[in-house]
Amino acid sequence: AQSVAQPEDQVNVAEGNPLTVKCTYSVSGNPYLFWYVQYPNRGLQFLLKYITGDNLVKGSYGFEAEFNKSQTSFHLKKPSALVSDSALYFCAVPGVTGGGNKLTFGTGTQLKVEL
Amino acid sequence: EPEVTQTPSHQVTQMGQEVILRCVPISNHLYFYWYRQILGQKVEFLVSFYNNEISEKSEIFDDQFSVERPDGSNFTLKIRSTKLEDSAMYFCASSDPGTTSSYNEQFFGPGTRLTVL
Repeated sequence: AQSVAQPEDQVNVAEGNPLTVKCTYSVSGNPYLFWYVQYPNRGLQFLLKYITGDNLVKGSYGFEAEFNKSQTSFHLKKPSALVSDSALYFCAVPGVTGGGNKLTFGTGTQLKVEL
Repeated sequence: EPEVTQTPSHQVTQMGQEVILRCVPISNHLYFYWYRQILGQKVEFLVSFYNNEISEKSEIFDDQFSVERPDGSNFTLKIRSTKLEDSAMYFCASSDPGTTSSYNEQFFGPGTRLTVL
């Protein structure tokens, strides 16, 4: 079964510092991977996805993610964190068929950016 | 920018009562989904819907649950007889169909918080 793991429940970083939110995956076939963000009392917002091609994927709000096949990882990164980036981040993987398909989410990582 | 909307934002009900959660997906999307998130836990898939029928459902989506697209814009989730453990945030999502070699992102609504007393 397709799955993702987020090993950290919470990540704390100072504003202006780089941030990394970790995700590892276990999939059959080619990996397709997503990152979503959830702000308090809001729905999930799409940040970026990896389908194929460049291992560094750029997304919304200055976020990027690095796909690493040998380490089966898809870590979310941002060069300079903002307080407004504080939110809950989810890594996700779709099912094995294309088109519309269910997403399986990781357990989420709470990012806290402090002044 | 088009968005998925959901009503109500918060629903309180007594155990055993029926509830209907409503969603308006993005107008040109063809796939529709329901997910739920129990407080403090991860987001879980419930059901996907395409071409007026369920395309996939999880083990959570038992006979107490049903979905419907009653008209060209709404997409509903019905829980026939609510249980305490149904208390959760329910998210609707929609997406373009994509292709067999591509996956399009799903767009989520703000959620309906269901509280079963």
